[in-house]
Order: sequence, then C-alpha cells, then structure tokens
Amino acid sequence: DSGVTQTPKHLITATGQRVTLRCSPRSGDLSVYWYQQSLDQGLQFLIQYYNGEERAKGNILERFSAQQFPDLHSELNLSSLELGDSALYFCASSAPLVGNTGELFFGEGSRLTVL
Amino acid sequence: KNEVEQSPQNLTAQEGEFITINCSYSVGISALHWLQQHPGGGIVSLFMLSSGKKKHGRLIATINIQEKHSSLHITASHPRDSAVYICAVSRDNYGQNFVFGPGTRLSVLP
Repeated sequence: DSGVTQTPKHLITATGQRVTLRCSPRSGDLSVYWYQQSLDQGLQFLIQYYNGEERAKGNILERFSAQQFPDLHSELNLSSLELGDSALYFCASSAPLVGNTGELFFGEGSRLTVL
Repeated sequence: KNEVEQSPQNLTAQEGEFITINCSYSVGISALHWLQQHPGGGIVSLFMLSSGKKKHGRLIATINIQEKHSSLHITASHPRDSAVYICAVSRDNYGQNFVFGPGTRLSVLP
C-alpha cells in the first residue's frame, strides 16, 4: 500500500460528459502529480501541484483542469469527454522538497472508459 | 526521437534466468527512476538513482551519467517478476518533472 488513495477505481461515462477524479496523497506529502496512461501510449505527465499551488504543467488538455485543496487532496476534472480520453489516470505524491528523496508514490489509478 | 528509450520492448525469460533491461536518455537529468507496473495496473517505485549502483533483494540498478544509460538487472528471475518495467528521468532541480520511457514488458515463465 503506497498510502496514496485514488477514487473512483473505475468509471464509465459517455462522450460529452464531465467527471472528477480524486486523489489523497500520503500523509505529509505536499506534491501531487497527475499522469495519464493510454493503451497506446506510456505515462504522460499532466500536472503537478505543490502545497496548493500549480508547480508544473505537462501535456494537459484545456478541457482538463486540476486543483489541490488546503487539506492537500487533489481533484482532476475532465470535461467534454471524448473517446480518446479513455485511459488510466494515476495520481502520485512525493515528500516535501527540502530533503526530498524524489521518490514517487503512486495510487492504484482510476480507469476511465468513455463510450 | 524519444527523450527516454528502453530496450528490449518485450522480454520473455525462463524462471531463474538473469535479466537485463536497458534505458538510455538524451536530456540532462537530476535523477533516474525505475518503476514496476503490474498487470493490474498499480505502479511501484523500485529505485531512484543519480549515480552508481543500488541493490534491493534480487534487483540491481546501475547508472552511467556520462553515457546517459541505466540498466535494471533481475537475478534468479521468478514468475512474480512479470510486469512492465518503466524507466523515468526527472529533469529539474527539484527532482520532479518526469519523462517516462515506453516500458519493457517482462514475462517470466515457470
């Protein structure tokens, strides 16, 4: 158990809909990362938050948004869903930057299927 | 050309064999990570390296910064080692901002 919790584990929805994926990082971890893993692609970095602030942005579509709340949990919002958004979405957390080992701890992932 | 490449793409081995998975990268990095993804999808971090060599049980990871190359070795492989092994590099000074390799799918047969 990595200590990172993601919900829901599975989600099936229709094109055009909006979904929210939730992530609770390990206790004490300030950084949260979101990744997308499609069938035909490897892991793609979407976005990073550190202590509530956006720290880095990757290949995140404009239809997607994220935020990190004061209690450090994070949500990834996916809207106007398309078939191609079907993927595994992973959240990971890492320790504070000072003295950071750099190790990532991954959640189990949320499998999104868009029909 | 991808910034992080892995070889082989797929690997089938017999139980007990010594396995090597290679990773090469073309960007400057602050650290390199080896991840394991099981068939169920969960991802576990195996190693983080910035130089030299690390060992954990039957797993050994090495990195050569000058050659921009890392290897993951599995000794006495076992069917439970069957998984996708992913090399990832972190590029910024905070050790984050990862770029992932395409993964190597390993199957160890009993």
